[in-house]
Amino acid sequence: EVQLVQSRAEVKKPGESLRISCKASGYSFTNYWIGWVRQMPGKGLEWMGILHPGDSDTIYTPSFQGQVTISADKSINTAYLQWSSLKASDTALYYCARRSEFLGYGMDVWGQGTTVTVSS
Amino acid sequence: SQELTQPPSVSVSPGQTARITCSGDTLAKQYAYWYQQKPGQAPVLLIYNDNERPSGIPQRFSGSSSGTTVTLTISGVQAEAEADYYCQSADSTGTRVVFGGGTRLTVL
Repeated sequence: EVQLVQSRAEVKKPGESLRISCKASGYSFTNYWIGWVRQMPGKGLEWMGILHPGDSDTIYTPSFQGQVTISADKSINTAYLQWSSLKASDTALYYCARRSEFLGYGMDVWGQGTTVTVSS
Repeated sequence: SQELTQPPSVSVSPGQTARITCSGDTLAKQYAYWYQQKPGQAPVLLIYNDNERPSGIPQRFSGSSSGTTVTLTISGVQAEAEADYYCQSADSTGTRVVFGGGTRLTVL
């Protein structure tokens, strides 16, 4: 079964660092782009960026460039989203999603989401 | 511009047809994708390349395109269709992606 399993919910303080993960299984990890999507409480989906695990090519949406780092470890089929200094405004639900190579540019497999809460 | 505009809400009675629009200049050149998100769940891809359905998506979901507007049509709406619906598009490389603001479908 093709799936993306994300790491557990996190509660952090402002200024702390954090890395959340997205582990892929059931398909060739290095052949598909992985994107990250933010959903702030009660709000819509926001595209953050996308990475190709095969060559680590990474494209960020301008509003997230410099705010987060997207990376992957292809030896363990895992993508990451990390912050060096969290802000309260980073409180949100974060999804990873696989970009299909057969359904246009649609995101055909999604992780279950990781809730990040940043509060003092 | 890559912005996509959706109506915040659409209401429909059971058994009727719901139509959700998504507008944006990029849609004249690039395909649109539609997702359904139910409360507490991850989004699910409903439509790709404007009007194609992935395997397992019911025929009551369909998509169409005209100029800079795409439309998601849900036929014979039932209570289970209550959800948020998002359109999405991307640039020609598929790496610069944008979502619409989302439309909440209410079944009266």
